[in-house]
Amino acid sequence: EVQLVESGGVIVQPGDSLGLSCAASGFTFDDYAMHWIRQAPGKGLEWVSLITWDGTSTYYADSVQGRFTISRDNSKNSLYLQMNSLRTEDTAFYYCAKHPGDYWGQGTLVTVSS
Amino acid sequence: QSALTQPASVSGSPGQSITISCTGTSSDVGTYNLVSWYQQHPGKAPKVMIYEGSKRPSGVSNRFSGSKSGNTASLTISGLQAEDEADYYCCAYAGTSTPWVFGGGTKLTVL
Repeated sequence: EVQLVESGGVIVQPGDSLGLSCAASGFTFDDYAMHWIRQAPGKGLEWVSLITWDGTSTYYADSVQGRFTISRDNSKNSLYLQMNSLRTEDTAFYYCAKHPGDYWGQGTLVTVSS
Repeated sequence: QSALTQPASVSGSPGQSITISCTGTSSDVGTYNLVSWYQQHPGKAPKVMIYEGSKRPSGVSNRFSGSKSGNTASLTISGLQAEDEADYYCCAYAGTSTPWVFGGGTKLTVL
């Protein structure tokens, strides 16, 4: 059974940094690109970032470019999102997903508030 | 404004069929057959209903089907049930510059 389990969501202040993790199981992790997607409370879905299967290429939404860094450790079947210079508008549920979108995690809530 | 255009709301009666459209461009929906659809009930995580245009994950009812014509993808739900009432989002692969683009979501009401 495929499982994606996010962790790391907490309440932080504007300007803080935070790292999220996504533990994958049930499939050959290093065969697939992985995504982060977020959803602000009461809003729609927003794609955040993508990393290729081998980690050599990464892509970001304009809204997080330069502040967020996606990475992966295939030896640990894990995906990461390092978020720096957090803003109140980054408040959202963050989901990891396997490309091409057939499996998503249950999400972790990041709240940025003073 | 979302990259993909969905109707804000659709409705239908139990047993009926409804279709939710998702209109993109020749750079996303029109080029790649990589559209996915997600169902989201209030307070819950999105659930994958369709991926790669028309594939259903294990456990998803065959009442849900996906299709595409030109730059528009569609999700059809047949034999509507009360439990289908939810928000539905489409998502399309749009190439390496912005790999995924989402629609703004459609609220389905089962009358």
